[in-house]
Amino acid sequence: SAVISQKPSRDICQRGTSLTIQCQVDSQVTMMFWYRQQPGQSLTLIATANQGSEATYESGFVIDKFPISRPNLTFSTLTVSNMSPEDSSIYLCSAENWGREQYFGPGTRLTVT
Amino acid sequence: EDKVVQSPLSLVVHEGDTVTLNCSYEVTNFRSLLWYKQEKKAPTFLFMLTSSGIEKKSGRLSSILDKKELFSILNITATQTGDSAIYLCAVEGGFGNEKLTFGTGTRLTIIP
Repeated sequence: SAVISQKPSRDICQRGTSLTIQCQVDSQVTMMFWYRQQPGQSLTLIATANQGSEATYESGFVIDKFPISRPNLTFSTLTVSNMSPEDSSIYLCSAENWGREQYFGPGTRLTVT
Repeated sequence: EDKVVQSPLSLVVHEGDTVTLNCSYEVTNFRSLLWYKQEKKAPTFLFMLTSSGIEKKSGRLSSILDKKELFSILNITATQTGDSAIYLCAVEGGFGNEKLTFGTGTRLTIIP
């Protein structure tokens, strides 16, 4: 199974600012994803991070608010832009090789004040 | 739209009891169903099920999938306090729909 790390593990940010979350996998993977888990809720997929091309966003999520990069097969970033208190959530990165199970990083707990 | 429904939402049992958690789903072009355990932040992988009727087992945990009736169950026998967690069920679509859709989870509490 892939080992996934995320940085930062937590942060407290002021509204109107932006935060970039990094996700590093210890081996090359086919697919990487970004999820959000709001307090008391289940996981919601934000987007699929595509290597070398623009991310594929789910309904309700847009590139201007959540720009994503994936420069290679082991690394991705998610930026939460122009934050508001409603963006306070846990943000999770996951990775999968086609046909195998999806593994999750440890998550980033974001609080926006 | 893909949909996953888990029941019960919450369950409190005594240590040593056996529990059954349920997951029903609707998904376009089904590929697999996965169970995760979430204690703090990151969900940890338990099982991946792709075929009907084949039980997967890991220690005291087991799971089975029914692709005709579109549901899965997760059984935990001889529960321990360390089993207290939220158990998440997710379904993954096939080619062109390779994303996980999660249910709301079952919060399991084991009383010593």
